[in-house]
Amino acid sequence: EDQVVESGGGLVQPGRSLRLSCTASGFSFGDSAMSWFRQAPGKGLEWVGLIRSRDYGETTEYAAFVKGRFTISRDDFKSVAYLQMNSLKTEDTAVYYCSRVGSDMVATRWFDLWGRGTLVTASS
Amino acid sequence: QSVLTQPPSVSGAPGQRVTISCTGSSSNIGDGYDVHWYQHLPGTAPKLLMYANSKRPSGVPDRFSGSKSGTSASLAITGLQAEDEADYYCQSYDNSLSGSVFGAGTKLTVL
Repeated sequence: EDQVVESGGGLVQPGRSLRLSCTASGFSFGDSAMSWFRQAPGKGLEWVGLIRSRDYGETTEYAAFVKGRFTISRDDFKSVAYLQMNSLKTEDTAVYYCSRVGSDMVATRWFDLWGRGTLVTASS
Repeated sequence: QSVLTQPPSVSGAPGQRVTISCTGSSSNIGDGYDVHWYQHLPGTAPKLLMYANSKRPSGVPDRFSGSKSGTSASLAITGLQAEDEADYYCQSYDNSLSGSVFGAGTKLTVL
């Protein structure tokens, strides 16, 4: 069965860093682009960024709000995508989800396999 | 303030039909970018419900249908069932933001 599972969330002080993992199974991870999202308490889904496969240079794209604080990377040997979050702010508190990118054509980019998310709480 | 506008809530009785609208602008839906829909029950993994405006992934019942026109899109659900009660999100691409964007979500209540 195709699945992705997020891990690494927890309570972190503002200004500190945290790295989330997204472990994939059941599909060809190395051929897939992967993306991260978040959902703040009481809010909707928000796209964070994505990383393409090695065939596409492992290029990344980020939402404007990231502003260099977050970095997405991948380890194809382990079938894991990472979200490195630095200089965390209280407003980064959210459930973070990862997903496989179903189509990466800009005109029609969708996300077809999601995990259940991992909660990040940035608070002192 | 979400880039795509959805009604906060819709409701319907079992067996009825409901529609959820998603309104964008000339920098996203109106510029030809496709709309996709997700179903999300809190605490679970979001599920792709509709892609490329009107295509259903394998396993999604044909009670769900999607359409797009101009700067808007809509998701229709016929023959409402209790299991359809969830949050629904539309998603597209915005060229002024250079990224994927979502609506704020619509909570569907089955009465």
